[in-house]
Amino acid sequence: AQSVAQPEDQVNVAEGNPLTVKCTYSVSGNPYLFWYVQYPNRGLQFLLKYITGDNLVKGSYGFEAEFNKSQTSFHLKKPSALVSDSALYFCAVRDMNAGNMLTFGGGTRLMVKP
Amino acid sequence: DAGVTQSPTHLIKTRGQQVTLRCSPKSGHDTVSWYQQALGQGPQFIFQYYEEEERQRGNFPDRFSGHQFPNYSSELNVNALLLGDSALYLCASSLGGPLTNTGELFFGEGSRLTVL
Repeated sequence: AQSVAQPEDQVNVAEGNPLTVKCTYSVSGNPYLFWYVQYPNRGLQFLLKYITGDNLVKGSYGFEAEFNKSQTSFHLKKPSALVSDSALYFCAVRDMNAGNMLTFGGGTRLMVKP
Repeated sequence: DAGVTQSPTHLIKTRGQQVTLRCSPKSGHDTVSWYQQALGQGPQFIFQYYEEEERQRGNFPDRFSGHQFPNYSSELNVNALLLGDSALYLCASSLGGPLTNTGELFFGEGSRLTVL
């Protein structure tokens, strides 16, 4: 079975500061990893994914994520946060041997203060 | 390019009733997945339809059923509604069915179901 943990319910950061949203995962095979963002009363928007290759993945809106196989982590990062980045962020994993269903973490609310 | 569209956006039902939610996938996509997002939680996979057949199913009772039409659109049906079925129901589309698993899913904005 595959699972995702997002240990922080909320992350607070000041505008202009770097941000990190944490994610750890568990799968039986090789993982495919994704980050999605959800704004209030909206669906999920894709940010970035790791399939294979370079451990540092760059995505939309200046976000990036680092895949760490030994720590089974896929933390989301941004060098300089914007107030408009405030939203709910979800990490998701797909086991490459288990079809293409996604298993999501519980989400982390990012609050960027001016 | 039309994205994933879902209807209705909001609906209220009472316990024991039945509900049908509808989804049109992103243009060019042939695979539709349904997810349930309870308040304050991450989405949970219900099932996936490809080539008009259910291909994968999550841990949901058979009160939850679906259908995919030849134009790739899909319906989610929930019978004998319970209070715990209150949630945001998200439809996601992709291309190539369950064996094409490196691509991202494209989500609609969801149908918010309230069961009283």
